[in-house]
Amino acid sequence: AQTVTQSQPEMSVQEAETVTLSCTYDTSENNYYLFWYKQPPSRQMILVIRQEAYKQQNATENRFSVNFQKAAKSFSLKISDSQLGDTAMYFCAFMRSSGTYKYIFGTGTRLKVLA
Amino acid sequence: GAVVSQHPSWVICKSGTSVKIECRSLDFQATTMFWYRQFPKQSLMLMATSNEGSKATYEQGVEKDKFLINHASLTLSTLTVTSAHPEDSSFYICSALGAPTGSTDTQYFGPGTRLTVL
Repeated sequence: AQTVTQSQPEMSVQEAETVTLSCTYDTSENNYYLFWYKQPPSRQMILVIRQEAYKQQNATENRFSVNFQKAAKSFSLKISDSQLGDTAMYFCAFMRSSGTYKYIFGTGTRLKVLA
Repeated sequence: GAVVSQHPSWVICKSGTSVKIECRSLDFQATTMFWYRQFPKQSLMLMATSNEGSKATYEQGVEKDKFLINHASLTLSTLTVTSAHPEDSSFYICSALGAPTGSTDTQYFGPGTRLTVL
């Protein structure tokens, strides 16, 4: 069975600084997807970034980028130039590329951006 | 694009009554939708997978007779909490698999429904 681990329950970062959130996963699958979602205080889950396992190139979305290490089963999220609006809970998720399309979520990392 | 709505956003009901929550994909068709429950400061817990035109698949430990799911169209799934009790009070979130591009590899989430049972 697949598992997703986020080892940092809480983190803080100064505004304009860079922060990295860690995520590791365990799977025997070769093809899958990985995601980072943001859940601000409004509790709306917002897709931040997604990565296909077959792509070696790390995904980027503006200030958000990932460091995808398939062999190490690691999928960290880097937030550059942190903004107050980045304060949220961040969830890492895994999905097999075939089958039920269910997500396996990590336990989340609560990020607070300090002014 | 890829907008999912939920209605109502919050509801308060008396113990023993039933509550229906709607989940709609507004700009794409979703053959698969998911229902989650989230307790404060915790991750999302998958309750069931809703497939258009077929019976929902419930996760282990979720009572199918208590949490009735209907996916009658490609844009609408409903969750009915029957005979609600205070322990059913929670935040319920739906998601729809897909996107206006037709891809089926990403879930898009509704804004959630806060249910309080008195």
